Amino acid sequence: QITLKESGPTLVKPTQTLTLTCTFSGFSLTTSGVGVGWIRQPPGRALEWLALIFWDDDKRYSPSLKTRLTITKDTFRNQVVLSMPNVDPVDTATYYCAHSTTSGGNALLSWGQGILVSVSS
Amino acid sequence: SYELTQPLSVSVSLRQTARITCVGNNIGNKNVHWYHQKPGQAPVLVIYRDNNRPSGIPERFSGSNSENTATLTISGAQVGDEGDYYCQVWDSGSGVFGGGTKLTVL
Repeated sequence: QITLKESGPTLVKPTQTLTLTCTFSGFSLTTSGVGVGWIRQPPGRALEWLALIFWDDDKRYSPSLKTRLTITKDTFRNQVVLSMPNVDPVDTATYYCAHSTTSGGNALLSWGQGILVSVSS
Repeated sequence: SYELTQPLSVSVSLRQTARITCVGNNIGNKNVHWYHQKPGQAPVLVIYRDNNRPSGIPERFSGSNSENTATLTISGAQVGDEGDYYCQVWDSGSGVFGGGTKLTVL
């Protein structure tokens, strides 16, 4: 059974760095074809794809946020970390992590429950 | 950047067929994935690579993709099928979501 869970601060001040951790089980990020991605959803709005890291450490970012995001993995701890510096109130959203495979066309196969992050002073 | 356009809302009568479209330039050349999100819950993948159902997704969910339009079809819509539906593709090395469609079952 594949599970993912997001963790991190739920309240961040503007200009601070947001660091979120995705802890997963049921698969390994050392397995060929596997990836873990991050997606966010502002309250009442649509999903936004943010970033994805593959088993071979290939990293992909949303073009609009590429300069602000860093995604890394810790295969021993089964964790993927997303960092976003200099946050703004518009970054207020529920942040999700999800499991993907290249055989599935990089679809987001299983999702975490999400974590609501508010950016406010 | 690549854009995906979905209708804001679709309504369907109970047990009838609902169709949700996702329009993108030459989307027929891409793999399209569909997600269902109920209020307060994380999205769930219902179709991947145009027309494949993950384990546990009912057969009434199907997908097609050709030229500039991908379509999610829900045959015999149930009340539990209500919610938001999002299409998603992989373009130029990153993911893109459509704006989402709210499905109402009358």
